[in-house]
Amino acid sequence: DADVTQTPRNRITKTGKRIMLECSQTKGHDRMYWYRQDPGLGLRLIYYSFDVKDINKGEISDGYSVSRQAQAKFSLSLESAIPNQTALYFCATSEPPGQSTGELFFGEGSRLTVL
Amino acid sequence: AQSVTQLGSHVSVSEGALVLLRCNYSSSVPPYLFWYVQYPNQGLQLLLKYTSAATLVKGINGFEAEFKKSETSFHLTKPSAHMSDAAEYFCAVSSGTYKYIFGTGTRLKVLA
Repeated sequence: DADVTQTPRNRITKTGKRIMLECSQTKGHDRMYWYRQDPGLGLRLIYYSFDVKDINKGEISDGYSVSRQAQAKFSLSLESAIPNQTALYFCATSEPPGQSTGELFFGEGSRLTVL
Repeated sequence: AQSVTQLGSHVSVSEGALVLLRCNYSSSVPPYLFWYVQYPNQGLQLLLKYTSAATLVKGINGFEAEFKKSETSFHLTKPSAHMSDAAEYFCAVSSGTYKYIFGTGTRLKVLA
């Protein structure tokens, strides 16, 4: 089984619908992230969380919200989806810098299409 | 502030030829540098990382990268390309905090 699991892997929805993308991890990491990937733009950070009570906005958080239900679970919500939120979304985890060299561990991605 | 520039959004090489993917970074503090690979319909997988130890870093699948502070570069190389190397490659920089800055990616095509 994958260390970082995302569901759903693919989703097609309509403008205005509420969508939740879920992420769970078995790596035991405290730090979790949500990124968005668009062609030619690389990965951009939406939200990040250092623990259950510490959630922070990234560079493109408008239109998104998150919930850290447990150390292992971090969900991303689109309250009212719009077409320009069509993208590939990645969840990632990491250890704190002092405990490792800090690389990110990624899930396999959730492809969202908003019509 | 940190930034990453990957030169060439698409690179094509013949099978068996040298692979060179370019990455230049900007960082006001000593950086951590990473190369990730993304195969179709998959997440990003770490190829290698530089964390202030040896400047020549060896990774998986025969890839390596050299940290050159004077040139602010961290180019990825492989002596002989294989068809299975076809993928998208991302360079990333971090200051060791939560923030990772990714390049825009280079799609590698390997020609038979």
